[in-house]
Amino acid sequence: AQRVTQPEKLLSVFKGAPVELKCNYSYSGSPELFWYVQYSRQRLQLLLRHISRESIKGFTADLNKGETSFHLKKPFAQEEDSAMYYCALSGTDSGNTPLVFGKGTRLSVIA
Amino acid sequence: DVKVTQSSRYLVKRTGEKVFLECVQDMDHENMFWYRQDPGLGLRLIYFSYDVKMKEKGDIPEGYSVSREKKERFSLILESASTNQTSMYLCASSLGGDSYEQYFGPGTRLTVT
Repeated sequence: AQRVTQPEKLLSVFKGAPVELKCNYSYSGSPELFWYVQYSRQRLQLLLRHISRESIKGFTADLNKGETSFHLKKPFAQEEDSAMYYCALSGTDSGNTPLVFGKGTRLSVIA
Repeated sequence: DVKVTQSSRYLVKRTGEKVFLECVQDMDHENMFWYRQDPGLGLRLIYFSYDVKMKEKGDIPEGYSVSREKKERFSLILESASTNQTSMYLCASSLGGDSYEQYFGPGTRLTVT
């Protein structure tokens, strides 16, 4: 079964401190992984996907197949990073099936 | 830009009422999804559709039904609303094929009293 685990419900960090939001997945095949973000009063939106290898708003995430992890990192947190973050997995070869989401981590950046 | 719109931002209904939540996307996407979002539970899939008139149950379909008569529109129906269906409802769409990215609507916050 496909599963995404985000172990932290809430993560609080000080402005300027490094941030790491953890995501572990369970899937026997070759996954495609995403991070979605929801800022206050805004819709859920894609932050980044592992295949693009982009850095968005200073965030990066590396797929580690050995540890089945896809942790989201940023070297210096900013107040505007405060939001709800969801890790998501697509575990099939077809785009016609839903993503599997983790339960989310709320990031709070303290000034 | 992909636009996914939902008919209402806030909705208050009484127990036992029939409730319709509408979702429209304007990018000719094949797939559409309905989720509910609850604190501590994340996003839970209710139903999805990969083609017109096709539907598949998600993880929590009980108490809900859906309709997809046109490609761009996907409706969620609560046949007889109950207080435990008070939640934020999110609609999403995706192109399909090799494209997995889902685009979300703004959400409808439904309160059942």
